[in-house]
Amino acid sequence: EPEVTQTPSHQVTQMGQEVILRCVPISNHLYFYWYRQILGQKVEFLVSFYNNEISEKSEIFDDQFSVERPDGSNFTLKIRSTKLEDSAMYFCASSLRQGSGANVLTFGAGSRLTVL
Amino acid sequence: AQSVTQLGSHVSVSEGALVLLRCNYSSSVPPYLFWYVQYPNQGLQLLLKYTTGATLVKGINGFEAEFKKSETSFHLTKPSAHMSDAAEYFCAVTRGGSNYKLTFGKGTLLTVNP
Repeated sequence: EPEVTQTPSHQVTQMGQEVILRCVPISNHLYFYWYRQILGQKVEFLVSFYNNEISEKSEIFDDQFSVERPDGSNFTLKIRSTKLEDSAMYFCASSLRQGSGANVLTFGAGSRLTVL
Repeated sequence: AQSVTQLGSHVSVSEGALVLLRCNYSSSVPPYLFWYVQYPNQGLQLLLKYTTGATLVKGINGFEAEFKKSETSFHLTKPSAHMSDAAEYFCAVTRGGSNYKLTFGKGTLLTVNP
């Protein structure tokens, strides 16, 4: 069964450092997303991406965050200058379409980011 | 605005016993409702979903859930727990027609005792 692959599975970084989390969505999917879950809290929507641009973002997704699809297969989340509060599990997801109840998101296993 | 409340962050059952995981939602528009499961070191996997139509929804691994509009609930059940059901379960809601911007509950960790 097709799956969404995320790397790294766990990254530890120092506060202020840049981090890039990588995702390989399902190959024929067109829509891409990042969610995150801070330990003990809910999974939260960060951003959706389609046709090489952000289609929607949450208030969490500030100027420190960026996404891109550099090569047609990878989908990356960059955090420019990490803060302690960025420590979380980051989930990538993809879907074939949007706006249809018949369509669902496929999630990756997550990348755990620890900021020291 | 939408929200999801999962009652009980941890539920423990014996193998063969009924599994009941509770989810209540609030939504100002007709919701789409989902249950996801996360096994250790794996992604969020869709168990089942309700969009429109039949309010009793059957999913994978013998799970089902019933949408009760009057109670704003979407509880997940399985008649007989198996050891392999041990995982974390997430209820999620989105407004109809927007199935990507999910609002999740905090999750319920299910343990199954032999």
